[in-house]
Amino acid sequence: DAKTTQPTSMDCAEGRAANLPCNHSTISGNEYVYWYRQIHSQGPQYIIHGLKNNETNEMASLIITEDRKSSTLILPHATLRDTAVYYCIVTLTQGGSEKLVFGKGTKLTVNP
Amino acid sequence: AAGVIQSPRHLIKEKRETATLKCYPIPRHDTVYWYQQGPGQDPQFLISFYEKMQSDKGSIPDRFSAQQFSDYHSELNMSSLELGDSALYFCASSSRQVANPEAFFGQGTRLTVV
Repeated sequence: DAKTTQPTSMDCAEGRAANLPCNHSTISGNEYVYWYRQIHSQGPQYIIHGLKNNETNEMASLIITEDRKSSTLILPHATLRDTAVYYCIVTLTQGGSEKLVFGKGTKLTVNP
Repeated sequence: AAGVIQSPRHLIKEKRETATLKCYPIPRHDTVYWYQQGPGQDPQFLISFYEKMQSDKGSIPDRFSAQQFSDYHSELNMSSLELGDSALYFCASSSRQVANPEAFFGQGTRLTVV
């Protein structure tokens, strides 16, 4: 079962930052937070992941609260192509053996 | 960079027929995952393989089977197809040789059962 809770949908204006929250209050100490997105009927795309420190890459930033019970994915300058369903996934990744369990995700719509 | 390749991209079958979906992982990836995504649904994990051995199993019907071959490609075999099997089927691959790896997904096979 998915271990995360996300808003069903969000809207964002093009060029503005999109902040997508995720609650994972039952996360255990060795579980990571992964974010994927799925643009209409395409294969899910990896965005970013983290354990407890904030992370940043060319796509996004991931802010994890100190108690690790929630996190926020930040797309700094959203574009129309960022319209997608965003999935926050908590998983144990010991050597890549753990499957990804997709929950409901957040449908982000970026508006012109 | 090479990505996960799935074939065919589209497949139409009749009820009670069989179907075989193929997945070619990224080179040097040793783990393959299969997911099913019905219309308006989220991806559901079916099964995974590591080094040609089944490593995890999800909600995969008994009518389905899968295997990973020596070249690491994987096939999902589906028999006695039902209308409800119509879905997108995604394959993903990753490497256990990398700490905290990400899984890369293919573009999927759209199966339509009529």
